[in-house]
Amino acid sequence: ILNVEQSPQSLHVQEGDSTNFTCSFPSSNFYALHWYRWETAKSPEALFVMTLNGDEKKKGRISATLNTKEGYSYLYIKGSQPEDSATYLCAYLYYSNTGNQFYFGTGTSLTVIP
Amino acid sequence: EPEVTQTPSHQVTQMGQEVILRCVPISNHLYFYWYRQILGQKVEFLVSFYNNEISEKSEIFDDQFSVERPDGSNFTLKIRSTKLEDSAMYFCASSRTVGGETQYFGPGTRLLVL
Repeated sequence: ILNVEQSPQSLHVQEGDSTNFTCSFPSSNFYALHWYRWETAKSPEALFVMTLNGDEKKKGRISATLNTKEGYSYLYIKGSQPEDSATYLCAYLYYSNTGNQFYFGTGTSLTVIP
Repeated sequence: EPEVTQTPSHQVTQMGQEVILRCVPISNHLYFYWYRQILGQKVEFLVSFYNNEISEKSEIFDDQFSVERPDGSNFTLKIRSTKLEDSAMYFCASSRTVGGETQYFGPGTRLLVL
């Protein structure tokens, strides 16, 4: 079992603040990294799929970067809004000769205070 | 917008009983997945399915689990003889291809084994 870590575990920010959190994963046998946004009582919603070292992706106020050599990805939220409150999950897709498997982090729970 | 659907939303069963969880993936997707999340723990990969056969499975996916695509639309997860520790939220997901493509998750089935 491979270890995918996310930090911090939870975060409270004021509306309008910018914030970022980290996903750490093994740097070997990297295939892809997925970020999801997961609101309570809903299904995880895909944010980004990142495959190349140095990838930067953006969707509105949310962006992500990827460093496969050192094994981390950052997710940034600019000007947080209450509707950004959710758990943000990363999933590392590991490549091997026997195939690929997804390993999820524990998530970062973000609460944006109005 | 197309979405992954799952039924039932909740299921309560007695230990030792068989359960079948159903999923309808997005129609033009070719890869299908099952995940589970035990309360308070990480989302865990169970199995991926492509071209009518299992392409990957985790160590969790033992002989008591099976998956099937009985027709052109449904994708099922069967647990043959449920144990207390099978109580979890089970998510189905689908994607057009593997790895570098977004996975779309269903809303989940909450399984409680008594």
